[in-house]
Amino acid sequence: DAGITQSPRHKVTETGTPVTLRCHQTENHRYMYWYRQDPGHGLRLIHYSYGVKDTDKGEVSDGYSVSRSKTEDFLLTLESATSSQTSVYFCAISRSDRGREQYFGPGTRLTVT
Amino acid sequence: KQEVTQIPAALSVPEGENLVLNCSFTDSAIYNLQWFRQDPGKGLTSLLLIQSSQREQTSGRLNASLDKSSGRSTLYIAASQPGDSATYLCAVSPGKTSGSRLTFGEGTQLTVNP
Repeated sequence: DAGITQSPRHKVTETGTPVTLRCHQTENHRYMYWYRQDPGHGLRLIHYSYGVKDTDKGEVSDGYSVSRSKTEDFLLTLESATSSQTSVYFCAISRSDRGREQYFGPGTRLTVT
Repeated sequence: KQEVTQIPAALSVPEGENLVLNCSFTDSAIYNLQWFRQDPGKGLTSLLLIQSSQREQTSGRLNASLDKSSGRSTLYIAASQPGDSATYLCAVSPGKTSGSRLTFGEGTQLTVNP
């Protein structure tokens, strides 16, 4: 599992509140990713990081921001949560020593009421 | 924009049957293709990774093939077991960047009946 943990694993929050999800890895991989998974849409990339303080947008980045101040941590923030952001969020890393194979964390189930 | 399609969306087979899951993608300029398994309520488990220069990869009862020029990959599962029941996802990464930003299909939900 490449030592990936996500916290919290479950969260219920109200519309308009900020929410931060954390992804932690133990193996110092350079690339980290945030995806969301929704019925009818599959998994879609939100943001990714290619190093400390180096991040870029993915396919569905509106309403989300990210930060990476340490190699091991990649934070996803919903600035003002909306019901459309109710989803399961997955963090992933890619291993350059294995042809960029991606490994995923266990996911965070977020419900915005 | 890359699009990934998986057919069928759902498949139910009796135990012991050999089966094939299909994945197609619209842009052949890929770096690699990855097959994942996802159990209900769980994360994704990587099954096989095929680089764009490779034709196939094997792991146990699983064999994945890649025809990059036609934009197709297949996942072959031999002698299926009830424990193989899960959703199988195909994903491709772009060839023009150093990051591995995956584009996913919506998956094939497999049920293997005892």
